[in-house]
Amino acid sequence: AQTVTQSQPEMSVQEAETVTLSCTYDTSESDYYLFWYKQPPSRQMILVIRQEAYKQQNATENRFSVNFQKAAKSFSLKISDSQLGDAAMYFCAYAAAASGTYKYIFGTGTRLKVLA
Amino acid sequence: NAGVMQNPRHLVRRRGQEARLRCSPMKGHSHVYWYRQLPEEGLKFMVYLQKENIIDESGMPKERFSAEFPKEGPSILRIQQVVRGDSAAYFCASSRVGNTEAFFGQGTRLTVV
Repeated sequence: AQTVTQSQPEMSVQEAETVTLSCTYDTSESDYYLFWYKQPPSRQMILVIRQEAYKQQNATENRFSVNFQKAAKSFSLKISDSQLGDAAMYFCAYAAAASGTYKYIFGTGTRLKVLA
Repeated sequence: NAGVMQNPRHLVRRRGQEARLRCSPMKGHSHVYWYRQLPEEGLKFMVYLQKENIIDESGMPKERFSAEFPKEGPSILRIQQVVRGDSAAYFCASSRVGNTEAFFGQGTRLTVV
């Protein structure tokens, strides 16, 4: 069975600094997708970034980038120039493509605090 | 184009009552997923539906829980005879055919008293 592990329950970063959130996963599939979602206090799940496993190039979205290490099954999120609005829970998620159903498997989350 | 709409946002039920949670997917989306988030935990998959079909219900508790997505109208997650352990946030997500990206609603927070 596939699993997603986020080993950092909480992280803190100074405003304008860079922080990296860790995520590892376990799967025997070769075709899958990985996601980072942000959940602010409003509870809304907001997609931050996604990565297709067949792509070697790491995905980037403005201040957000990932370090995807397929062999190590690692998918970390780097947030550059952190802003107060980045404070939230961050969830790593996996979805296998082969089954035809794209149900997500989520990690337990990392709470990010941004210090002014 | 409105996002995924869930209602109600907050629902309080006494033990033994029924809870009905509604989800209207985004326009053009025919796939609906339900997830449950217990306090301080990640989202856990419950069920995946297409119009009039349950495709995968491997995450649904065997008793008291049911889901439907009729030809017309919203998807409904029904919890019968609620217990305190059912207190959680329930999220609905929708996607297009063949698309891995799912869009989430704001969730329904169910509190059982």
